[in-house]
Amino acid sequence: QVTLRESGPALVKPTQTLTLTCTFSGFSLSTSGMCVSWIRQPPGKALEWLARIDWDDYKRYSTSLKTRLTISKDTAKNQVVLTMTNMDPVDTATYFCARMGGYSGFAEDYWGQGTLVTVSS
Amino acid sequence: DIQMTQSPSSVSASVGDRVTITCRASQRIGSWLAWYQQKPGKAPKLLIYAASTLQSGVPSRFSGSGSGTDFTLTISSLQPEDFATYYCQQANTFPRTFGQGTKVEI
Repeated sequence: QVTLRESGPALVKPTQTLTLTCTFSGFSLSTSGMCVSWIRQPPGKALEWLARIDWDDYKRYSTSLKTRLTISKDTAKNQVVLTMTNMDPVDTATYFCARMGGYSGFAEDYWGQGTLVTVSS
Repeated sequence: DIQMTQSPSSVSASVGDRVTITCRASQRIGSWLAWYQQKPGKAPKLLIYAASTLQSGVPSRFSGSGSGTDFTLTISSLQPEDFATYYCQQANTFPRTFGQGTKVEI
């Protein structure tokens, strides 16, 4: 079955760079149509889409955050990595990775449980 | 970016009630709209994609409709496990964008 799991630091300091890893199973990012997205949710607030990487290595980013984000994949390890530079307390959120499998109208059909990242000195 | 506006922001309802949530896109998005359900402390769960297609395993009391800019999620008979926050998301254009959420509460 399809599973995704986010990992990374729970606490980062302002100005630091955050690196998050999404480790998945049950599908391959080398398969045509497969994609992995990152979405975040500040405490008590709405979901915010951040970035997506496709099976062909095509990458898309949030307009407001694109200068700070980099998404990459390691197909052999079944991992997708998101880096976000210059972290600020407003970036405190739960970060989710999710799969877009091409069978669900371009929606994300499987999600990880999320990882809470707090930005504080 | 396409703005997604949900209404209402919250709705109080009882078990058995019919609940309708609307989502409006700032530009036409065809039928490329998804609905998610999120419970506290959990990841969102895909309910409906392509505006009206029920994701596998989702109860038939959930339904979606609409195209272009105006969309609706309907729960025909609210069950205790349906109390949650619901989000719409446009899947037509990058960057993807979500609505602000609608909390369904007692």
